[in-house]
Amino acid sequence: EAGVTQSPTHLIKTRGQQATLRCSPISGHTSVYWYQQALGLGLQFLLWYDEGEERNRGNFPPRFSGRQFPNYSSELNVNALELEDSALYLCASSLWEATLYNEQFFGPGTRLTVL
Amino acid sequence: AQKVTQAQTEISVVEKEDVTLDCVYETRDTTYYLFWYKQPPSGELVFLIRRNSFDEQNEISGRYSWNFQKSTSSFNFTITASQVVDSAVYFCALSEASRNQGAQKLVFGQGTRLTINP
Repeated sequence: EAGVTQSPTHLIKTRGQQATLRCSPISGHTSVYWYQQALGLGLQFLLWYDEGEERNRGNFPPRFSGRQFPNYSSELNVNALELEDSALYLCASSLWEATLYNEQFFGPGTRLTVL
Repeated sequence: AQKVTQAQTEISVVEKEDVTLDCVYETRDTTYYLFWYKQPPSGELVFLIRRNSFDEQNEISGRYSWNFQKSTSSFNFTITASQVVDSAVYFCALSEASRNQGAQKLVFGQGTRLTINP
C-alpha cells in the first residue's frame, strides 16, 4: 500500500512569491494534516482538513491556506513568501473515526527555500 | 494549553551504550495520547509508539523501551545497546483525545538529536 506522498521534494522561491505544496494521503484516509518544521522552531501544526473542510488551523497568518479536494488530496498555499517560511513542510493523513484515536502517517516532506 | 519539553537538544554516545531521551509534557486534559517519532536524515517522521493516558504500563520493543509516569508527567524513551542506525532526531508528541475542534493535532517537543558514534 502506498504511503503519503508529497510533491515537490524541493521548492525554491523568492521573497514575495507564492508556493504551492501538494499531498496525497493514504488510500482510504479522509483527514490531511500539515505541519511546518522550521529551523529552531521544531514541528508546528499548521492545518487540518477532513472531508474537504478546514477543521482547525495553528497559529499561522492567513497567507498560509490550503484546500482538500474530493479525492482527499490536499494543497498548501503560502502567499507573499517571507524568508522565515523556509522550512520542511510535512503532510500527514489519517482515517477519521469518532471513537478512536486516528493515527497520523507522515509523508517525506517538501523542503521550501525562500531566497 | 498543551506543551511538550525535550530538554536534551543533542546527545552523543558511543555504540552499544544505553541512552535515555527525556520528555516532559503539560496538559489539562485527563485523556490524551503520547507519542515518540524518529526522524532520520531523509526527513520523514517514523512512528515508534503511542500510549494513552490511562495506560501507564511500560513497554519494551526489542532494544526500545518507554517509561510513562503520570505522576511526573514524563514519557521517557530508552535505547539499549545503541547502534549507529539509531542516529536521528527523536520527537516526543502529545495529542488530545476528544473529537472537539482542534482534536487530533500533534503538539511536538523540540526534538533531541541523537548521534551514535562507532
